[in-house]
Amino acid sequence: DAGVIQSPRHEVTEMGQEVTLRCKPISGHNSLFWYRQTMMRGLELLIYFNNNVPIDDSGMPEDRFSAKMPNASFSTLKIQPSEPRDSAVYFCASSLDRVKSPLHFGNGTRLTVT
Amino acid sequence: DQQVKQNSPSLSVQEGRISILNCDYTNSMFDYFLWYKKYPAEGPTFLISISSIKDKNEDGRFTVFLNKSAKHLSLHIVPSQPGDSAVYFCAASDSGAGSYQLTFGKGTKLSVIP
Repeated sequence: DAGVIQSPRHEVTEMGQEVTLRCKPISGHNSLFWYRQTMMRGLELLIYFNNNVPIDDSGMPEDRFSAKMPNASFSTLKIQPSEPRDSAVYFCASSLDRVKSPLHFGNGTRLTVT
Repeated sequence: DQQVKQNSPSLSVQEGRISILNCDYTNSMFDYFLWYKKYPAEGPTFLISISSIKDKNEDGRFTVFLNKSAKHLSLHIVPSQPGDSAVYFCAASDSGAGSYQLTFGKGTKLSVIP
């Protein structure tokens, strides 16, 4: 299995631009998570999908952030418009929908907003 | 307010010696705990876990200890190897509701000196 695949690995954009991050979860996993990692706050859960349905988006910082999961093999996290404070590493993770099933993380997208 | 705390940002250990990484939590509803390991430019990878019904779980060189009364867990690595140099994240969840969301600590950077 190729694991969780995220793209792009690095994204540099100017303030005000739209940014779209992509994730392909592990086949067969029906839970998907988007996390953000910053020095100040560590790893924060942004949103959690189960069977392609958003279950908890309480971690999404503002209306500028949105996430979709149109099918079981693809999810996007969009920031529009982007701001410098959005600069962080964004991780996607997937797991089986089973209590105590560990998360499998992608290698992340490092976003820099100038 | 941080519900999972790793109070040591970094730790240096000589190769062959024991590494002890500590983690404290405040939420008494947490009943499942995990350790993740992260190398630079990669996503966190699952290392070992423990359920609240146990106080110890061992996997090769890695042992996790849980002290529920103190709301404290620790990861022991014996013997430490240079390849263990990474950032270690403690994570906790309340699995009672059936959903699976992890709360992470900010990590401890372990350096194993040859």
